[in-house]
Amino acid sequence: GAVVSQHPSRVICKSGTSVKIECRSLDFQATTMFWYRQFPKQSLMLMATSNEGSKATYEQGVEKDKFLINHASLTLSTLTVTSAHPEDSSFYICSARGQGAGTDTQYFGPGTRLTVL
Amino acid sequence: DAKTTQPPSMDCAEGRAANLPCNHSTISGNEYVYWYRQIHSQGPQYIIHGLKNNETNEMASLIITEDRKSSTLILPHATLRDTAVYYCIVRVLGVNKFYFGSGTKLNVKP
Repeated sequence: GAVVSQHPSRVICKSGTSVKIECRSLDFQATTMFWYRQFPKQSLMLMATSNEGSKATYEQGVEKDKFLINHASLTLSTLTVTSAHPEDSSFYICSARGQGAGTDTQYFGPGTRLTVL
Repeated sequence: DAKTTQPPSMDCAEGRAANLPCNHSTISGNEYVYWYRQIHSQGPQYIIHGLKNNETNEMASLIITEDRKSSTLILPHATLRDTAVYYCIVRVLGVNKFYFGSGTKLNVKP
């Protein structure tokens, strides 16, 4: 139980294009999802909190117009990296918490490797 | 959230117990201790969490000191597949966010 998936697992795009990453909770309803970014040999950095049916809240220093988050249902959150540039290349990881998965624990997806050329 | 301090790396022989320490001296009374691990290029995996009592599950044991200022994650019989970065996180119950520190890289050697 408590499985979280991400799609795609890796993506390569040209500078200036937008990329959408999906995060799904497969066997529970995720009232809250989180997006993290991880650069090589560094720890995970929380980017934003996504609540179903409401606007995402962003951590200090994260550009909300750059990283668009939509949490349209209890099983799906999407992160869109708009006008991606090489410095946005990173490992993006989502997590989810909610009913049926131990509401005080976050479960993480496998991550999406984004490379911007 | 209280900050945590972990050694950057540790070695452990395969089949032996791995004891990973975490210092959280500024922890508050309503903050839980969580442990996750991240195997290279994967998402973090939940291991265990606790408030003040020791906890055990099929993966590990969590020992929290009486003053709650530190804890130890114990993998009773480490295998090569346990090689990963282990993160200790403290979080107030009801507050959703996790802030990851730098973790401990556990190297299990044959």
